[in-house]
Amino acid sequence: DAKTTQPTSMDCAEGRAANLPCNHSTISGNEYVYWYRQIHSQGPQYIIHGLKNNETNEMASLIITEDRKSSTLILPHATLRDTAVYYCIVRVRDDKIIFGKGTRLHILP
Amino acid sequence: DGGITQSPKYLFRKEGQNVTLSCEQNLNHDAMYWYRQDPGQGLRLIYYSQIVNDFQKGDIAEGYSVSREKKESFPLTVTSAQKNPTAFYLCASSTRQGPGTEAFFGQGTRLTVV
Repeated sequence: DAKTTQPTSMDCAEGRAANLPCNHSTISGNEYVYWYRQIHSQGPQYIIHGLKNNETNEMASLIITEDRKSSTLILPHATLRDTAVYYCIVRVRDDKIIFGKGTRLHILP
Repeated sequence: DGGITQSPKYLFRKEGQNVTLSCEQNLNHDAMYWYRQDPGQGLRLIYYSQIVNDFQKGDIAEGYSVSREKKESFPLTVTSAQKNPTAFYLCASSTRQGPGTEAFFGQGTRLTVV
């Protein structure tokens, strides 16, 4: 079973920051938080991952709480192309990858 | 370019026939995975392999078989024992070492059994 809980769906206005929460209250010390997204009918795309420090790359920022029980993926300036299902996954680095149901993000024009 | 390739993109088979889905990667990744996705649902793990000549069952392995004879290849056979084989199948690979062990996905094979 997936070890994460995410809202089923969210809306965000185009040009605004999209903040996607993820709860992983049972995360263990050696488990990373990974984020992927899947645009309709395509293979999932890796976005970002982190262990305990906040991370940023060209696509997004990842904010992990100090107790590591939750995290937030931030898309700083959402566009219509960011409409997708976003998956939050926790795993030991070389372990199998188990997906949950994800959050369906709708970017509104 | 490096990547992971699934073929074919669309596949049609008659009920009762076995069918093999291809997955090839040239990323030198040790780990490979097969997932199934039904309409409106998330990805469910069928099989995964972390090294050549070794693989483990995922959550829904019944009715499927795999082999991992080469590092680059991880074919999935959908057998006649799989009761509802029509689905979108996704293959992925990842490294097991280094700073990033994110998975890279193919574009999927959409299998329809009639």
